[in-house]
Amino acid sequence: AQTVTQSQPEMSVQEAETVTLSCTYDTSESDYYLFWYKQPPSRQMILVIRQEAYKQQNATENRFSVNFQKAAKSFSLKISDSQLGDAAMYFCALRQGGGATNKLIFGTGTLLAVQP
Amino acid sequence: KAGVTQTPRYLIKTRGQQVTLSCSPISGHRSVSWYQQTPGQGLQFLFEYFSETQRNKGNFPGRFSGRQFSNSRSEMNVSTLELGDSALYLCASTGTSSYNEQFFGPGTRLTVL
Repeated sequence: AQTVTQSQPEMSVQEAETVTLSCTYDTSESDYYLFWYKQPPSRQMILVIRQEAYKQQNATENRFSVNFQKAAKSFSLKISDSQLGDAAMYFCALRQGGGATNKLIFGTGTLLAVQP
Repeated sequence: KAGVTQTPRYLIKTRGQQVTLSCSPISGHRSVSWYQQTPGQGLQFLFEYFSETQRNKGNFPGRFSGRQFSNSRSEMNVSTLELGDSALYLCASTGTSSYNEQFFGPGTRLTVL
């Protein structure tokens, strides 16, 4: 069975500082994708960043980057220069590769507060 | 392109009733997935439809069902509602990029009294 674990229910960061959200996962598949989704208080879930398991290079999207440690099955999200608009619930998610399904397995989420 | 739309946005029902939720995916997307979000259970996968066929189903009772139409619009139905069915129901539309990125709708907030 595939599982995703987020061990930090809540995190807080000062504006302009850097914060790292943790995620570990378990899968027996060799082909899979990992995602970080953001769900602001308005509830619309949006994709923050994605990583293909076969790519060794860590994904980066502007102020967001990941630390993908495949052997350790770890996929953390780093947010640099935090902004007030980054305050949201962040979900780590896993999807099997191969195109047979788009089913996402989500972690329990980390609620990020950004202090001015 | 217009985003994923879900109707209605809010719904209040009583136990024993049934409900139908609708999802219109992004134009050109053929896959629609449904998720249930609750404070206690988090985000759980309900089912996925691709080209009018259900190709994956989560661990939910048979009271939860869905379908997809030829225009890729999808509906999910919950019969004999229980208090525990109160949740935010999210629909996600999947594109055809190599990442198969899922785009989520705003959700339908269902309250069962």
